Amino acid sequence: GAVVSQHPSRVICKSGTSVKIECRSLDFQATTMFWYRQFPKQSLMLMATSNEGSKATYEQGVEKDKFLINHASLTLSTLTVTSAHPEDSSFYICSARQGAGETQYFGPGTRLLVL
Amino acid sequence: EDQVTQSPEALRLQEGESSSLNCSYTVSGLRGLFWYRQDPGKGPEFLFTLYSAGEEKEKERLKATLTKKESFLHITAPKPEDSATYLCAVQGGSQGNLIFGKGTKLSVKP
Repeated sequence: GAVVSQHPSRVICKSGTSVKIECRSLDFQATTMFWYRQFPKQSLMLMATSNEGSKATYEQGVEKDKFLINHASLTLSTLTVTSAHPEDSSFYICSARQGAGETQYFGPGTRLLVL
Repeated sequence: EDQVTQSPEALRLQEGESSSLNCSYTVSGLRGLFWYRQDPGKGPEFLFTLYSAGEEKEKERLKATLTKKESFLHITAPKPEDSATYLCAVQGGSQGNLIFGKGTKLSVKP
């Protein structure tokens, strides 16, 4: 199957700082990338969808000014959590797909802990 | 509203004890139904995609089937390494985003 990587795998930061998470599709070009967050013992919640070269579409209740998404190329998307607070602590997972109707492949996730 | 319901929430099996996981869905214009496996602290791992009722797919001890209202993931003679949370998701409508169920946590005891 297709490979999607995320970096870093784990990050601890102080409240008020910003954190950037990278998501890369290693062996295919991803026209669309997705960002999810997952709280313990819960399923994945879609945060936003991004298409290469255009602005991300955010799900209801997700602050676009807090969670900045950039999809600058067909293999890279970044999620920046700005002015992070303890309630932003979660497991963030990206996924990528080559085209509409194609399978989404997920990255290994990034564990964010905000102190 | 598109919806996915998985049952049971948790399933404990003895090694070798076959069983099935259920995924019931309502979606406008199904584009595909997906099964993923998720281990603790990791991202979901793709297992199967099913596109139309009657379709079946197999991989090792797993077999996925699809009807117009639900999908089953059959596990034959499971092993402890099959322990994980199994997620079902549907893709439909114009947006094509995945709608996930809450998952079934499978534990296989030796």
